[in-house]
Amino acid sequence: SYVLTQPPSVSVSPGKTATISCQGNNIGGISVHWHQQKPGQAPVLVIFNDRDRPSGIPERFSGSNSGSTATLTISSVEAGDEADYFCQVWDFTSDHILFGGGTKLTVL
Amino acid sequence: QVQLVQSGAEVMHPGASVEVSCKASGYHFSAFHVHWVRRAPGQGLEWMGWINPVSGVTTFAQKFQGRVAVTTDTSINTAYLHVNGLTSDDTAVYYCAKDRNNFPDFWGQGTLVTVSS
Repeated sequence: SYVLTQPPSVSVSPGKTATISCQGNNIGGISVHWHQQKPGQAPVLVIFNDRDRPSGIPERFSGSNSGSTATLTISSVEAGDEADYFCQVWDFTSDHILFGGGTKLTVL
Repeated sequence: QVQLVQSGAEVMHPGASVEVSCKASGYHFSAFHVHWVRRAPGQGLEWMGWINPVSGVTTFAQKFQGRVAVTTDTSINTAYLHVNGLTSDDTAVYYCAKDRNNFPDFWGQGTLVTVSS
């Protein structure tokens, strides 16, 4: 079955840029979505279809996807961005949704 | 605005069954699949399955097949998750979510299910 691999943790100083990767076999050929989950809260969709932002998500959040890696980039990181981030795809062969293991973003 | 409001927290004994409800508003409920996802303590998001509200057709992740059921009542825009044979490994926050195009775009607030003897 298809596997999505994320780094367990990423740390960044305020005002800097955070990049979170999501690796999968030929992931560049399918759509990747990113969900943010802050402690004690429900997840929130922050990027869909590789690079599109839902209404209300700051432009500081951006995405890319090519080859074997999809990337979520958060520029000018703020303390409020501290959260777990999950990449997600649809496996059309099984009609299942798959999540990566998640990356904990720490703002130093 | 789209809202998904779930039922309250539950404390269950091992071996019991639990039902979690998810009432949707702000969109045409019948037009979009509903996902169920859980997050156990110290773990990541785990997709359980989804349902087409009109046809009632469901698809589940393999580990939940045979132990989980999902239904909808389109007359009251509500989806239900039913889990049988609870064990301590089922202690988690359970979320419903509206599908957009094979991805969740709006999430319920979550329902904590604690399994304890």
